[in-house]
Amino acid sequence: AQTVTQSQPEMSVQEAETVTLSCTYDTSESDYYLFWYKQPPSRQMILVIRQEAYKQQNATENRFSVNFQKAAKSFSLKISDSQLGDAAMYFCAYRSANRDDKIIFGKGTRLHILP
Amino acid sequence: DAMVIQNPRYQVTQFGKPVTLSCSQTLNHNVMYWYQQKSSQAPKLLFHYYDKDFNNEADTPDNFQSRRPNTSFCFLDIRSPGLGDAAMYLCATSRAGSLNYEQYFGPGTRLTVT
Repeated sequence: AQTVTQSQPEMSVQEAETVTLSCTYDTSESDYYLFWYKQPPSRQMILVIRQEAYKQQNATENRFSVNFQKAAKSFSLKISDSQLGDAAMYFCAYRSANRDDKIIFGKGTRLHILP
Repeated sequence: DAMVIQNPRYQVTQFGKPVTLSCSQTLNHNVMYWYQQKSSQAPKLLFHYYDKDFNNEADTPDNFQSRRPNTSFCFLDIRSPGLGDAAMYLCATSRAGSLNYEQYFGPGTRLTVT
């Protein structure tokens, strides 16, 4: 069975600084998708960034980028120029590329932005 | 805008009194999910529909049921809510077979059991 591990329950970063959230996963599959979701306090969960396992190039979305190391089964999220609005719970998630459409979430990392 | 809508946003029910939460979507996605999320925890999948096919998670209590009368709507029925069922309930959708495989979440319904 696949598992997703986020080893940092909470992190803090100074506004405008860069922070990296860690995620490792375990799978025997070769074809899958990885996601980072953001859930601000009392607000909707939204997708931050996605990575297809067959792509070697790391995904980037504006200030958000990932470091995808397939052999190491590592998928970290880097947030550059942190803003107050980045404060949220961040979930790393895995999804198989087969018909099983379930997503497996990590336990989350709560990110605090210090003004 | 295409979206996932959940009603009500806040629901208070009494211990043992049946309650129904609703979810609708304008994305025309064929997969719909129900999650339970307790404070500062990851969402826990209760069940999902792949088209009309219902898929129950092995550890979902029998107290939780679901209905999907059409593509757009899905309901979560809690037959006899207990205090431990107080949580945020999230509905999500996805399009199976799409390249992205991401899930789109609704804003959630916060259930309080008194």
